[in-house]
Amino acid sequence: AQSVAQPEDQVNVAEGNPLTVKCTYSVSGNPYLFWYVQYPNRGLQFLLKYITGDNLVKGSYGFEAEFNKSQTSFHLKKPSALVSDSALYFCAVREGYGGATNKLIFGTGTLLAVQP
Amino acid sequence: DADVTQTPRNRITKTGKRIMLECSQTKGHDRMYWYRQDPGLGLRLIYYSFDVKDINKGEISDGYSVSRQAQAKFSLSLESAIPNQTALYFCATSDFGGYLQPQHFGDGTRLSIL
Repeated sequence: AQSVAQPEDQVNVAEGNPLTVKCTYSVSGNPYLFWYVQYPNRGLQFLLKYITGDNLVKGSYGFEAEFNKSQTSFHLKKPSALVSDSALYFCAVREGYGGATNKLIFGTGTLLAVQP
Repeated sequence: DADVTQTPRNRITKTGKRIMLECSQTKGHDRMYWYRQDPGLGLRLIYYSFDVKDINKGEISDGYSVSRQAQAKFSLSLESAIPNQTALYFCATSDFGGYLQPQHFGDGTRLSIL
């Protein structure tokens, strides 16, 4: 079965410092990976996705993610954290093959807290 | 106005009651989904629909039912609510344009069952 793991429930970082939110995955075939962000009292918002090609994927709000096949990881990164980046972050992997399905398997989420 | 609208935003009800959560979208997407979010468990898929005539069970469909009344409307029902169905419920949509399309979420319904 396909799955994703977010090993950290919470990540604390000072404003201006680089941040990393970790995600590892397990799939049978090619991984299709996503990051979503959830702000308080809001639904999830798409940040970025990895399908194929360049291992460094750039997304919204200055975020990027690095795909590492040998380590089965897809860590979310940002060079300089902002207090407004404080939110709950979800990694997700697409389940299934071909174009018939679009089900996502979500991780348990990582709360990012950026201190001023 | 929001592209994906969920009503109500909050609901408190009693065990055994029938509850309907509604979702409507203006994105013109064919695919719609219902998830529940529980602390420490992430999001889990309840039901999904690829068009009006297509309804599929997700990971945790027991105790729930859905109706796709139109392309833009997808409702979730709890026929006889129980306390462990207390959770945050999200509706989402995605375009048919491929299995790699992002999902677009509503702002959620916080449901408490006493």
